[in-house]
Amino acid sequence: SQKIEQNSEALNIQEGKTATLTCNYTNYSPAYLQWYRQDPGRGPVFLLLIRENEKEKRKERLKVTFDTTLKQSLFHITASQPADSATYLCAVTGGGNKLTFGTGTQLKVEL
Amino acid sequence: DVKVTQSSRYLVKRTGEKVFLECVQDMDHENMFWYRQDPGLGLRLIYFSYDVKMKEKGDIPEGYSVSREKKERFSLILESASTNQTSMYLCAGMRDRGSQPQHFGDGTRLSIL
Repeated sequence: SQKIEQNSEALNIQEGKTATLTCNYTNYSPAYLQWYRQDPGRGPVFLLLIRENEKEKRKERLKVTFDTTLKQSLFHITASQPADSATYLCAVTGGGNKLTFGTGTQLKVEL
Repeated sequence: DVKVTQSSRYLVKRTGEKVFLECVQDMDHENMFWYRQDPGLGLRLIYFSYDVKMKEKGDIPEGYSVSREKKERFSLILESASTNQTSMYLCAGMRDRGSQPQHFGDGTRLSIL
């Protein structure tokens, strides 16, 4: 069956360090993969989209990689700040316009 | 700036009631989606719509129905609410251009007593 896996354990890092979150998928061949941020009590907010023919995408302090051989995407936040603390969700195309989401990884950036 | 508005942030209903959750988008998006989000299970797609009066079942449609009479409005209906439908419900809109992001509302936290 199709599955998207994100580390369910919270990731705690120190301010200024680089946070790296992982998204693994099985039984998919997604044309693109998306990352969202979700704050408590709010809806997810879109951050970045990367296509299968792109190895890497950057936006300000964010970087996403997409390895279709490993079936994995890595999401990096450089120079992390306490304001980056949130849950980060990855999502892949499940067919047509549908997205299938992972369960998310909670990131805590400490002073 | 895009806007998806869900009618209620918090809602408490009783078992057996018919419940309506409303979602309105101001983006002229063709596609609209209803998800529920539960701890450990993530977002699961209930129903989606790609045009007015069109609907498609998602992964967990049982116990739900939807209505889309106008492009900007997508309603989720719990025909006879049950306690296992207590959850956070999220609505999203998306343009029909391929590889587009989804824009979410802030959710309705629904409790069925």
